[in-house]
Amino acid sequence: DAGVTQSPTHLIKTRGQQVTLRCSPKSGHDTVSWYQQALGQGPQFIFQYYEEEERQRGNFPDRFSGHQFPNYSSELNVNALLLGDSALYLCASSQDEVQSLHFGNGTRLTVT
Amino acid sequence: AQSVSQHNHHVILSEAASLELGCNYSYGGTVNLFWYVQYPGQHLQLLLKYFSGDPLVKGIKGFEAEFIKSKFSFNLRKPSVQWSDTAEYFCAVNGPGNNRLAFGKGNQVVVIP
Repeated sequence: DAGVTQSPTHLIKTRGQQVTLRCSPKSGHDTVSWYQQALGQGPQFIFQYYEEEERQRGNFPDRFSGHQFPNYSSELNVNALLLGDSALYLCASSQDEVQSLHFGNGTRLTVT
Repeated sequence: AQSVSQHNHHVILSEAASLELGCNYSYGGTVNLFWYVQYPGQHLQLLLKYFSGDPLVKGIKGFEAEFIKSKFSFNLRKPSVQWSDTAEYFCAVNGPGNNRLAFGKGNQVVVIP
């Protein structure tokens, strides 16, 4: 049991479409981070949410946006999808410390 | 910016062999270092971490890692691997006050029974 749950597990979209991915953090965790893992690569940091605000952001374009809700769950939105956005999107939660990150199983996004 | 290098992306070895995976990072200041493991079909799990103190860190399942500051390295070792150690292993680093992890590309390890 990952503790962190992500939905959906798989998703197929067409170029130009928009997608929303969802994450519920592990019980007791208040911080949610999103990572993109392309095939054959390590996870890359997209952004982190804490107290419903984006606290840090990686080197990703504005097409990537997010939200955190009062119950600490989070969404990742990607607009104007490109083929290069095809990847595994990982959500990780923590109790305000990166040292105790717990990852979900990820959402596999395929853009055709 | 922090970056992490992992070499020998694919490693194949027999049970009972010793495993060592290299990890080098580039960051000039104090760092926190991690090894994560992803077993087939499972989520990323923390194997071990180093924040400060004894540079030899013990993790779960018999793994250990040694932090060598002068070499900017944090190599992972296991004296005798088992088939169940087949997985992908990722090294990661972050600096103090920085809530993002920088990951390496990973090592795909296959242990042959």
